[in-house]
Amino acid sequence: NAGVTQTPKFQVLKTGQSMTLQCAQDMNHNSMYWYRQDPGMGLRLIYYSASEGTTDKGEVPNGYNVSRLNKREFSLRLESAAPSQTSVYFCASKHLPGQSQETQYFGPGTRLLVL
Amino acid sequence: AQTVTQSQPEMSVQEAETVTLSCTYDTSESDYYLFWYKQPPSRQMILVIRQEAYKQQNATENRFSVNFQKAAKSFSLKISDSQLGDAAMYFCAYSEETSGSRLTFGEGTQLTVNP
Repeated sequence: NAGVTQTPKFQVLKTGQSMTLQCAQDMNHNSMYWYRQDPGMGLRLIYYSASEGTTDKGEVPNGYNVSRLNKREFSLRLESAAPSQTSVYFCASKHLPGQSQETQYFGPGTRLLVL
Repeated sequence: AQTVTQSQPEMSVQEAETVTLSCTYDTSESDYYLFWYKQPPSRQMILVIRQEAYKQQNATENRFSVNFQKAAKSFSLKISDSQLGDAAMYFCAYSEETSGSRLTFGEGTQLTVNP
């Protein structure tokens, strides 16, 4: 049981390049989330998927797209990377949508540097 | 929109002593949940403790306890008998049902434990 896994761990991009961050969970969770963490700030929600087949914008969605490929996988795509997207990206999941008391389980993070 | 504020960017404590980290939040909801997450240098997000707003009793997990003041919208974390392994960034977070159970994080407090 690996929990939440993210690939890659670290990536360097040039401005304008595209890439997809992968996230997978093996806990049979329904809800999945993408956050970004910038220095001196807490995590901010980019997009989330309350259940398979649905996605919604979070606090900072501009410049990103997401795909809930199946129940296990939730990917985050940067179509044209910008230096402002340099950050650490976290994926998280939890069992049930709408159950705020549930713990969100986080992946180890992907550190992205855009030059 | 809900906001979470941690007014102490850095705190330090002597090993075996007690330290309290502060958190305030703003919401118009009556039913919500509050969390403290720990982020060590590994960047892994680890749930420390959780509080349901409808419960008057303060949550406790071993050496960690909270002081939840609903009217004042305050949610502080007390760490007793501090250990070197407690050194980390601590984030206060808020969640409620109407926003997809997303987590809204504070800016974080960096805790140093001195031997």
